[in-house]
Amino acid sequence: LAKTTQPISMDSYEGQEVNITCSHNNIATNDYITWYQQFPSQGPRFIIQGYKTKVTNEVASLFIPADRKSSTLSLPRVSLSDTAVYYCLVGGGAGNMLTFGGGTRLMVKP
Amino acid sequence: EPEVTQTPSHQVTQMGQEVILRCVPISNHLYFYWYRQILGQKVEFLVSFYNNEISEKSEIFDDQFSVERPDGSNFTLKIRSTKLEDSAMYFCASSRGLAGQGRDTQYFGPGTRLTVL
Repeated sequence: LAKTTQPISMDSYEGQEVNITCSHNNIATNDYITWYQQFPSQGPRFIIQGYKTKVTNEVASLFIPADRKSSTLSLPRVSLSDTAVYYCLVGGGAGNMLTFGGGTRLMVKP
Repeated sequence: EPEVTQTPSHQVTQMGQEVILRCVPISNHLYFYWYRQILGQKVEFLVSFYNNEISEKSEIFDDQFSVERPDGSNFTLKIRSTKLEDSAMYFCASSRGLAGQGRDTQYFGPGTRLTVL
């Protein structure tokens, strides 16, 4: 299983763009990169998933360079409610376990 | 938007008692999972389930644990004789299981907080 490394914590202010980078040097050819958000005492919430280049949805963008050894989650104009833990995971295939690391604890300040 | 639901939201039990945690996965999903998260720690995989069989399990998922899909909608996790260290949030997840594709997004429920006294 590919291991991921991401910053333990980040601080930001309301209205700013936040970029969280994750490294996954041992990503396998068929692995996808998935980001989840988790609030205290709640289940992880799917944010975005991608394989290469750039993916954008209504809440975030995901940038993946050509070598796929890292990825960057971009949250545009964060608000206080974006304060949460963000997890980067790699893997793929139905039935496969997800291996969660410690995630990045994002604190958005007013 | 379809979502995974779990009941109860909070379960308190005495050590040694059996508990059953219930989940209703998203209706057209084929793969089901249980994870747990001890307070302040990482989310840990317990088991995955497909076609009425366990497809993968972790070291945590010992003989005290079992899973079942008793009908077409529910997916349960049973802990036969609870221990203090079983106190945790338990999350159910489900995924579509698209054959032949590398990605299969897992969607998580809100969790059941299990407290063992």
